[in-house]
Amino acid sequence: QKEVEQNSGPLSVPEGAIASLNCTYSDRGSQSFFWYRQYSGKSPELIMFIYSNGDKEDGRFTAQLNKASQYVSLLIRDSQPSDSATYLCAVTPLGDYKLSFGAGTTVTVRA
Amino acid sequence: DAGVIQSPRHEVTEMGQEVTLRCKPISGHDYLFWYRQTMMRGLELLIYFNNNVPIDDSGMPEDRFSAKMPNASFSTLKIQPSEPRDSAVYFCASSADRGASYEQYFGPGTRLTVT
Repeated sequence: QKEVEQNSGPLSVPEGAIASLNCTYSDRGSQSFFWYRQYSGKSPELIMFIYSNGDKEDGRFTAQLNKASQYVSLLIRDSQPSDSATYLCAVTPLGDYKLSFGAGTTVTVRA
Repeated sequence: DAGVIQSPRHEVTEMGQEVTLRCKPISGHDYLFWYRQTMMRGLELLIYFNNNVPIDDSGMPEDRFSAKMPNASFSTLKIQPSEPRDSAVYFCASSADRGASYEQYFGPGTRLTVT
């Protein structure tokens, strides 16, 4: 079993819709959870982090964490063509700074 | 701040040659990470340093790979000898210790092609 698994893509959504991305992790001791966005040919950039159960909102992005279910998700509301990218889920174990990345989910927003 | 700087941006070399990738972290950051990204394996951590000291090199694929950080503003990743399967994008990232909310800033990457 991979440490971090993401729902397989690609995910295609119409402009203005909600894009929902899911991620599960195997290490129950994981501490912090990150969502990175990577445009084609570019480097990853952090868009959200969360470390407490519940929801965290930042603009059009909402991260949701459920440690009991070992599940973290990212919602993108009012999707825009500029949101078209690969979204990487990353997890750090307790007391460490290593990031374990999922394979990524590619999102395409149709105008 | 210029961000994380990597050089070269592209490298094409022949199998068996030595390859050296370079990274300058963001000033003041005390963590430096080397990653490799391929279509097959995704983004993998190779090694990371804290205050110039290697902390975890368990991701380094084999003895052909080595990394150094002689000072706080410079790190190298060396592959000797290189093989076609080393072809990938290599990213360097840096961060500062801010507890659970730390952010890793990635450089633009070096695209390595070994023929």
